[in-house]
Amino acid sequence: EPEVTQTPSHQVTQMGQEVILRCVPISNHLYFYWYRQILGQKVEFLVSFYNNEISEKSEIFDDQFSVERPDGSNFTLKIRSTKLEDSAMYFCASSVERGAQPQHFGDGTRLSIL
Amino acid sequence: GENVEQHPSTLSVQEGDSAVIKCTYSDSASNYFPWYKQELGKGPQLIIDIRSNVGEKKDQRIAVTLNKTAKHFSLHITETQPEDSAVYFCAAHYSGGYQKVTFGTGTKLQVIP
Repeated sequence: EPEVTQTPSHQVTQMGQEVILRCVPISNHLYFYWYRQILGQKVEFLVSFYNNEISEKSEIFDDQFSVERPDGSNFTLKIRSTKLEDSAMYFCASSVERGAQPQHFGDGTRLSIL
Repeated sequence: GENVEQHPSTLSVQEGDSAVIKCTYSDSASNYFPWYKQELGKGPQLIIDIRSNVGEKKDQRIAVTLNKTAKHFSLHITETQPEDSAVYFCAAHYSGGYQKVTFGTGTKLQVIP
């Protein structure tokens, strides 16, 4: 069964550094998402992306964050200047269509900011 | 915005017993309700979903019920097995305009052999 893949599985970065998290969504999916999960808490929506532009973002997704689909397969999340509170699991998801359709999640990248 | 409450936060059951997890949502426009299972070190995996035009859906040992009037929905797992042990998240989604899925706070289910 096709799946969403994320790399790296664990990223350790010094505070203030830039970090890029990478995702390969399922190949025929058109909608892409990033979520984050702080340890022990619920999964929180960050951003959705369609047709090479952001379609929706949460209040968490401030100017430090950006997303990009640099080629036909990758979808990236960049955090420009990391803060201690950015430490979390970051999940990429994708769906075939918008609307009442299941979103398929990757296994996440654990981001640790020192 | 949407707010999803989930109870209980932890649940322990004996193997073979049933488990019930309950959620409420606040936005009456929400019309799609997926349930996710998250195992340690893994991402959320969809296990069942229900749309607002349906009151109940069943898939083998798993069933979900939806009460639109009360804005309640529940997950029922029958004949629980140790491999059902995981964190379960309910979620709500309004398909008409927004993309984001709003998750509940999660229920850690432990099935005791």
